[in-house]
Amino acid sequence: QSALTQPASVSGSPGQSITISCTGTSSDVGGYNYVSWYQQHPGKAPKVMIHDVSNRPSGVSNRFSGSKSGNTASLTISGLQAEDEADYYCYSYTRGWYVFGTGTKVTVL
Amino acid sequence: QVQLVQSETEVNKPGASVKVSCKTSGYTFTDHFIHWVRQAPGQGLEWMGYINPNSGFTKHAQTFLGRVTMTRDTSTNTAYMEVSWLRSDDTAIYYCAREGIVKALDIWGQGTMVTVSS
Repeated sequence: QSALTQPASVSGSPGQSITISCTGTSSDVGGYNYVSWYQQHPGKAPKVMIHDVSNRPSGVSNRFSGSKSGNTASLTISGLQAEDEADYYCYSYTRGWYVFGTGTKVTVL
Repeated sequence: QVQLVQSETEVNKPGASVKVSCKTSGYTFTDHFIHWVRQAPGQGLEWMGYINPNSGFTKHAQTFLGRVTMTRDTSTNTAYMEVSWLRSDDTAIYYCAREGIVKALDIWGQGTMVTVSS
């Protein structure tokens, strides 16, 4: 159960769009449409931003969107805002277990 | 509203055990799996396992097989996670989270800091 691979950091200026990738295998990301994304601010519990690859829970800004191609899932944040600065983790179901991504620190310049 | 409230900070010696509680409210406890996730200082999230509060069935990440026990008490709507034979690298924040969306975690507890130190 190796962690899914994410870039360590991504940055952007306010108003820009950024994309975070999450690469797994055909046993996890590529094999199921059960990828979710979590935002974590320092000292806080994670918060779900996207589930089932591309669905937003009620209350999550429509600036957040998700997609998947093959074994790689992506989270896009459009119209970047200062409050989006946080750590982001992908999460996937895999044959009865679950695995998180390595995490990406998003910095708003 | 739906809440998961965890037990307070713990400090334990190597070789001891720790039991973290996760008291739920605002929904039917037996309707949703409870997952456990840990985060070592400055590190990422690590999935530990889940319990089905209805049946008591559990599934563990292989890393934790034999050292982690997940249980529940349906009379108090509380889930528990016990780690035995604590090591220094078990020092982490332990979170419980509800699988309120199929295979995703919609509500999280506030986290319980467990420090393992002699």
